[in-house]
Parts: sequence; C-alpha cells; structure tokens
Amino acid sequence: QVQLQESGPGLVKPSQTLSLTCTVSGGSISSGSYYWSWIRQPAGKGLEWIGRIYTSGSTNYNPSLKSRVTISVDTSKNQFSLKLSSVTAADTAVYYCARDSGRGYGMDYWGQGTLVTVSS
Amino acid sequence: DIQMTQSPSSLSASVGDRVTITCRASQSISSYLNWYQQKPGKAPKLLIYAASSLQSGVPSRFSGSGSGTDFTLTISSLQPEDFATYYCQQSYSTPSITFGQGTRLEIK
Repeated sequence: QVQLQESGPGLVKPSQTLSLTCTVSGGSISSGSYYWSWIRQPAGKGLEWIGRIYTSGSTNYNPSLKSRVTISVDTSKNQFSLKLSSVTAADTAVYYCARDSGRGYGMDYWGQGTLVTVSS
Repeated sequence: DIQMTQSPSSLSASVGDRVTITCRASQSISSYLNWYQQKPGKAPKLLIYAASSLQSGVPSRFSGSGSGTDFTLTISSLQPEDFATYYCQQSYSTPSITFGQGTRLEIK
C-alpha cells in the first residue's frame, strides 16, 4: 500500500521560501508511470493544484504560481519536494502531496496534509 | 485555463436520497474528469476517474457520467458517511490541472 507523508516547517515568514518534502513509502517513486503532485487548500476554500513532477524528472506547474514554484525529486530517499518562493499570507494553506496516475486516472494516493502559515 | 463550475455549491439531503452533482467545463475535456470526496480535516479521496470509472474500493452507489463539457456525479442512496464536500477535477489540460469549487453535501 502506497503512503505519502508531508513534512516541513509549519510557519514561514513573509518573503521567505516555503519548503516541503513528501516521503513515499510502500513503493518506489521512480517505478511506474506516475506524476508526483502538490495541491494546496486555504482554510475553508477549495483545492488548488500547484504542480507535479514525472518519474522522468519533467515538471508541470500551475501558470499562476510558475514563477515561484520548484518541484524536485530525490529518488535515493524516495522523496519529492516543493519550494515556493516570496510567500505572502495568501500562501497560507494546507499543503497536500499526491500520486497522480496520469491523464484519465486521477490522484489516487494522498498525504494527510500539512498546514503552513505565512506570518511574521 | 479550463474553468470547472460545479452546481449546486451546497446541497441538503436525507439518508436514502438520490443525489446528483453537476460539473461543467469551460471547454471540451473529453472524458478526462475525476471526482473526489473530502471530509473535514482529511485529504480528498478519489471516487471516480475518467468520468465514469469507479475507483477500487469505492461503493457502487457512487456513479459518474458525461463527456465533453457536462458531467454528473450521482449517489444512488445516501449513507451517513457520504456527507462531505465533493470536487470535480479535469486532467485534460496540462500543464494546468483545475478543480471545481466544490459542492458541500449536508444532512437535511
């Protein structure tokens, strides 16, 4: 059974960089044809897709966040990571990592989510 | 970006009711439409993929239909554990995957 777990600071200061890691267990991050995605959800609001990285290392980003987002993968640790630069209070949200089985298959495994608050 | 619009935004229903939630895409997305259920404080759960395929382990009272721009999620007989928020998501247009705004299903 694949499991995902987010980790990282719960509090980030404005203008700094938010950094989160998703650790995958129960399967190799480099096997199969999967995208490894980040999604966020501000309190009381809907889901916003941030971006994803493919097994090959290629990335796709939400155009509205693209200038500030970097997603990378560390296959040796079975982890992938999110960096979001120049954060503001609007970036305060629960951040989820998920496995996306690709076009037509959906995001079938999710982490439990981690709350990141942007505040001085 | 492809915009996804769900209706209604909220819905009150009773146990045993048949419920339908609609999702409309701003342009054709073929059948690249997924549905998720989210309960408070929990991660979303994939229910339906490719518009009408039931994810493994999901009860058969959930079904999906549609193609092009109009899609529906139907719960044939509401159970107490079904009261949650439901989201549609299109995976047709990359790099920009988009979700609907959500439909909150409440107990009447």
